[in-house]
Amino acid sequence: GDSVTQMEGPVTLSEEAFLTINCTYTATGYPSLFWYVQYPGEGLQLLLKATKADDKGSNKGFEATYRKETTSFHLEKGSVQVSDSAVYFCALGATNAGKSTFGDGTTLTVKP
Amino acid sequence: DGGITQSPKYLFRKEGQNVTLSCEQNLNHDAMYWYRQDPGQGLRLIYYSQIVNDFQKGDIAEGYSVSREKKESFPLTVTSAQKNPTAFYLCASSIGRKETQYFGPGTRLLVL
Repeated sequence: GDSVTQMEGPVTLSEEAFLTINCTYTATGYPSLFWYVQYPGEGLQLLLKATKADDKGSNKGFEATYRKETTSFHLEKGSVQVSDSAVYFCALGATNAGKSTFGDGTTLTVKP
Repeated sequence: DGGITQSPKYLFRKEGQNVTLSCEQNLNHDAMYWYRQDPGQGLRLIYYSQIVNDFQKGDIAEGYSVSREKKESFPLTVTSAQKNPTAFYLCASSIGRKETQYFGPGTRLLVL
């Protein structure tokens, strides 16, 4: 079945450091790919998405590119801020055969 | 404002009691979902519905029940058969099952 593997956390960075959170997937078909963010005590919210191979999603300085050849969708940001501290989830959209699938989440803490 | 609401924010369950968590959306979305999140864990799908009067079991449906009598409402009942119900419960909706999911703020269920 479909699956998502995310880089294990927690990840701790200093402010202005470069961020990469790895995400790889296994899927039947060609699902859309998503990154969601969850702040403490809240629900998830969409950070960015890509709907087909080679698409780049971007939002608030975060970027991720849909790489079909490596089945990856790594999240990057050039300079993190304390306010970026949250849990980040990589997700596959549903394919014709199945339902959407979420990774286990990666906790990011940014220190001033 | 369009959105998805969950109530209550906190819910306490006594031994042997059934409790119902509310989820309402005014986004005119066809698909709705219930997830369970345990501390430091990812999301696990309990039930989902793609259309009114229809729903499917997710990965951990045992001890839970749902109904979808109206497009905007998808309540979740945690029955006494669910022996370990303490968790954070998240409801979500989407236009279609392949699209971006919009999450509510969550309900935290605690056992007395």
